[in-house]
Amino acid sequence: GENVEQHPSTLSVQEGDSAVIKCTYSDSASNYFPWYKQELGKRPQLIIDIRSNVGEKKDQRIAVTLNKTAKHFSLHITETQPEDSAVYFCAARENSGYALNFGKGTSLLVTP
Amino acid sequence: DSGVTQTPKHLITATGQRVTLRCSPRSGDLSVYWYQQSLDQGLQFLIQYYNGEERAKGNILERFSAQQFPDLHSELNLSSLELGDSALYFCASSPSRSYNEQFFGPGTRLTVL
Repeated sequence: GENVEQHPSTLSVQEGDSAVIKCTYSDSASNYFPWYKQELGKRPQLIIDIRSNVGEKKDQRIAVTLNKTAKHFSLHITETQPEDSAVYFCAARENSGYALNFGKGTSLLVTP
Repeated sequence: DSGVTQTPKHLITATGQRVTLRCSPRSGDLSVYWYQQSLDQGLQFLIQYYNGEERAKGNILERFSAQQFPDLHSELNLSSLELGDSALYFCASSPSRSYNEQFFGPGTRLTVL
């Protein structure tokens, strides 16, 4: 089955700096890669996603890049704010199935 | 609010017991997914139902089972509970199997003492 590795497990940045979280996946048949943000005690919420036929997608301060050849994708958050502090999960979905395989999460702390 | 509801919010029970977690998907969503979130294992896919039928299985223990009813709500049954089953259980739904985004419910926190 699909195996998703996520790094780093914790990340601390100062307000205004950029944050980058990286994920690798094992199944070359994976075709959909979402990123979820989870605040303490809350549900995971989709913040951005990318399909395998696209190399980059941007939504305001958030962007995701995908390198299919290397089987890795990254989340970029620019001009970080304290409210960006949360746990971020990457996921990959196989072409043959519909469930999401999640990375273990990155705890992001943005300090003022 | 995603439109997915889960009950109960919290559940405390003892080892060896059996519990049922309930999920109501967003109106019109046919596909329901169950995930387990524990501190050491992260978010793990358990099982998926589509329009009443089981469609995919992940790391679901034999002590666990689920079903989706004609009104599309789903129940996850956990039996012979062990301490290690303590976790947050999330349900997610999507309109169809091929629809990308999954909408997560607020979760049920299960504590096994």
